[in-house]
Amino acid sequence: KQEVTQIPAALSVPEGENLVLNCSFTDSAIYNLQWFRQDPGKGLTSLLLIQSSQREQTSGRLNASLDKSSGRSTLYIAASQPGDSATYLCAVSKGGANSKLTFGKGITLSVRP
Amino acid sequence: GAVVSQHPSWVICKSGTSVKIECRSLDFQATTMFWYRQFPKQSLMLMATSNEGSKATYEQGVEKDKFLINHASLTLSTLTVTSAHPEDSSFYICSALTGASGANVLTFGAGSRLTVL
Repeated sequence: KQEVTQIPAALSVPEGENLVLNCSFTDSAIYNLQWFRQDPGKGLTSLLLIQSSQREQTSGRLNASLDKSSGRSTLYIAASQPGDSATYLCAVSKGGANSKLTFGKGITLSVRP
Repeated sequence: GAVVSQHPSWVICKSGTSVKIECRSLDFQATTMFWYRQFPKQSLMLMATSNEGSKATYEQGVEKDKFLINHASLTLSTLTVTSAHPEDSSFYICSALTGASGANVLTFGAGSRLTVL
């Protein structure tokens, strides 16, 4: 059974700091990995999707890497801003007919002005 | 881009009543939708996979008679929480597969918060 772990559960940083959010998964047989952002009481916004054959994806100040063999992914946020404050979840999928996602519990990020 | 709409965004009901939550794909057809439940400070847990024109596939431990799922059209799936109790209070989120077959891209709705008194 796939398990996704995100540690720590919460993180507080000053504005402008570069930071790394970690995600680990137990079964390396994944189709892809996604990072999502969730604001309080809201749904999910997809940030980055990395296919299993890829090593990283970039979007603006965000960079996500994937090391499938070791079961790890990181989300790098450059020059953090107060508007980045949210919960960040990673999720993995086996893909194909079984496209359901297994989520981590998320990391709640607070960026202090 | 693809948009998934959920309605209502929040609902409060009395214990013992039934509540229906709708999930619509606004600008694409979705043969497969997924229903998740999220408790406070917890991860999203998949409840069931909704397939247009056929019965939903429920995850282990999810009561299919309590959480009725209907996917009668290519743009609408509904989740009905029957005889709701306070322990059913949660955040329910749906998602739909978008993109080409095998692309495995999911678009999520904004969620529906259910509070059972």
